[in-house]
Amino acid sequence: EAQVTQNPRYLITVTGKKLTVTCSQNMNHEYMSWYRQDPGLGLRQIYYSMNVEVTDKGDVPEGYKVSRKEKRNFPLILESPSPNQTSLYFCASSSPGTKEEKLFFGSGTQLSVL
Amino acid sequence: AQKITQTQPGMFVQEKEAVTLDCTYDTSDPSYGLFWYKQPSSGEMIFLIYQGSYDQQNATEGRYSLNFQKARKSANLVISASQLGDSAMYFCAMREGFGYSTLTFGKGTMLLVSP
Repeated sequence: EAQVTQNPRYLITVTGKKLTVTCSQNMNHEYMSWYRQDPGLGLRQIYYSMNVEVTDKGDVPEGYKVSRKEKRNFPLILESPSPNQTSLYFCASSSPGTKEEKLFFGSGTQLSVL
Repeated sequence: AQKITQTQPGMFVQEKEAVTLDCTYDTSDPSYGLFWYKQPSSGEMIFLIYQGSYDQQNATEGRYSLNFQKARKSANLVISASQLGDSAMYFCAMREGFGYSTLTFGKGTMLLVSP
């Protein structure tokens, strides 16, 4: 089944404790992206990657890191999480050049930073 | 200026009635795509419908249709014959250009369908 898999689904952590949210897709998509969703703000892009070893900042990159060493994986790293990074995070992937370039989303990761 | 504007924070509709969710967009790129996603209370993002800027006809997918008015830069989602399961948050989104899959999202509209 074609899917984007994020882990974990829920995560509670404390300020300053490094964490990684994993994302993997099995559709051979070149494009991958991370979004955060906050009430009243919709989804905002954190980082995106057009292909292996190619990453770029989105609208809200501060406090986050990403890497794209393999085509299927695109982990999101919070080196020193802070309470304002409490949010619902989505990983998404797509194949640029297709008619719709539709984004396929993972199930989301609800992160709470205490 | 916001690229995607959804002016209705919440909408109520009775079961079996039709409902229109508003979305206006702002872009100077002649090539763009417009999307609607549904987010039920379980949290996942479900793709509903897509309209390309060069598409001549309004997109339809089952009970969903997109009322695309290019000159007015609007892309309203019409849900016909609402069902209780349609209760969810709905997001309008835009991709500018092609070969670059980033979507810009609106703030969403919460739809509640009552029996």
